[in-house]
Amino acid sequence: ILNVEQSPQSLHVQEGDSTNFTCSFPSSNFYALHWYRWETAKSPEALFVMTLNGDEKKKGRISATLNTKEGYSYLYIKGSQPEDSATYLCACNTGTASKLTFGTGTRLQVTL
Amino acid sequence: DVKVTQSSRYLVKRTGEKVFLECVQDMDHENMFWYRQDPGLGLRLIYFSYDVKMKEKGDIPEGYSVSREKKERFSLILESASTNQTSMYLCASSSLAGGSYEQYFGPGTRLTVT
Repeated sequence: ILNVEQSPQSLHVQEGDSTNFTCSFPSSNFYALHWYRWETAKSPEALFVMTLNGDEKKKGRISATLNTKEGYSYLYIKGSQPEDSATYLCACNTGTASKLTFGTGTRLQVTL
Repeated sequence: DVKVTQSSRYLVKRTGEKVFLECVQDMDHENMFWYRQDPGLGLRLIYFSYDVKMKEKGDIPEGYSVSREKKERFSLILESASTNQTSMYLCASSSLAGGSYEQYFGPGTRLTVT
């Protein structure tokens, strides 16, 4: 079983703060790293899928980086807003397997 | 838009009952998955299927079985429900096309076994 770890477990920030979370994963047989956002009472939704070392992806105020050699990814949120409150999950698949292994998530709460 | 639907949002069953959780996707995806989510443990894979009538055990298959008779439908079966199967169950699907294996999730079924 792959070990995908996320930190911190939870985070409470004020509106306008910038924040970041970490996902670490085994670097051997790496195929892809996924970030999902899971809002309360909704389905998890994909934010990014990254495959290449050094990859950076951006969607609005959210961006992510990937280091496959050392086995970590960062997710950044610039100028957090209350609607960013959610659990952020990272997941990894290895080889060409379609199976994902998920981390336990980082729960973000943004208050006014 | 990809749509993954699950038969119930909330379900309450008694210990020993046989429970069926149904999942349907409308995007002709080859792969389908069943997860359970418990506080502090993240999403854990129970079973997955990469084709009709094909299934593979995930990380926690004990106490569960699955059925995939049609490409769009993947059922999770609890043969004899127990209280430790009280959890949130999520279904997901993904396609081989594009190679990213991005998964699309259903809204979840919160199952309580009393």
